[in-house]
Amino acid sequence: EAQVTQNPRYLITVTGKKLTVTCSQNMNHEYMSWYRQDPGLGLRQIYYSMNVEVTDKGDVPEGYKVSRKEKRNFPLILESPSPNQTSLYFCASSPHIGELFFGEGSRLTVL
Amino acid sequence: RKEVEQDPGPFNVPEGATVAFNCTYSNSASQSFFWYRQDCRKEPKLLMSVYSSGNEDGRFTAQLNRASQYISLLIRDSKLSDSATYLCVVNNDNGQNFVFGPGTRLSVLP
Repeated sequence: EAQVTQNPRYLITVTGKKLTVTCSQNMNHEYMSWYRQDPGLGLRQIYYSMNVEVTDKGDVPEGYKVSRKEKRNFPLILESPSPNQTSLYFCASSPHIGELFFGEGSRLTVL
Repeated sequence: RKEVEQDPGPFNVPEGATVAFNCTYSNSASQSFFWYRQDCRKEPKLLMSVYSSGNEDGRFTAQLNRASQYISLLIRDSKLSDSATYLCVVNNDNGQNFVFGPGTRLSVLP
């Protein structure tokens, strides 16, 4: 089954404790991206990657890092989480120009 | 001004009603356009792409007016299962920069 898998789905952590949200896709898509969704603001792009070892900042990259060492994986790293990073995070993959396929989302709370 | 704007709703309509959603975008260089549907606490899923000539998929009709930078979605004979948030999405370049509107919430009532 074609899918995008994110883990963890739910996480409560404390300020400053590094965490990684994993994302994996099995559709051999070139393009992967991370979004955060906050009430009233819609989905905002954090980072995207056009292919292996190619990553670029989206609209709200501050406080986040990503890596793309393999085509299928695109982890999101919060080196020192802060409460303003409490949000619902979605990973997505896409063929070069086309439909975005989203993971089920990861709800992160930073205390 | 936000790059993609939508009526926030909520739209509360009875079953069988016709409902129309509007979306405007500010970047005249935008190249492709989509409507996504998002159920509560779920991930967005593509509803339909929007083509310059307009397109229809069953009860759903999407239209694009590039001159006015306006996109619409029409839902006819609405069903309870159409209750969701509808997201207008614009792609600004060669495929990497998707910009989402804040969404319009629809509740179809029995």
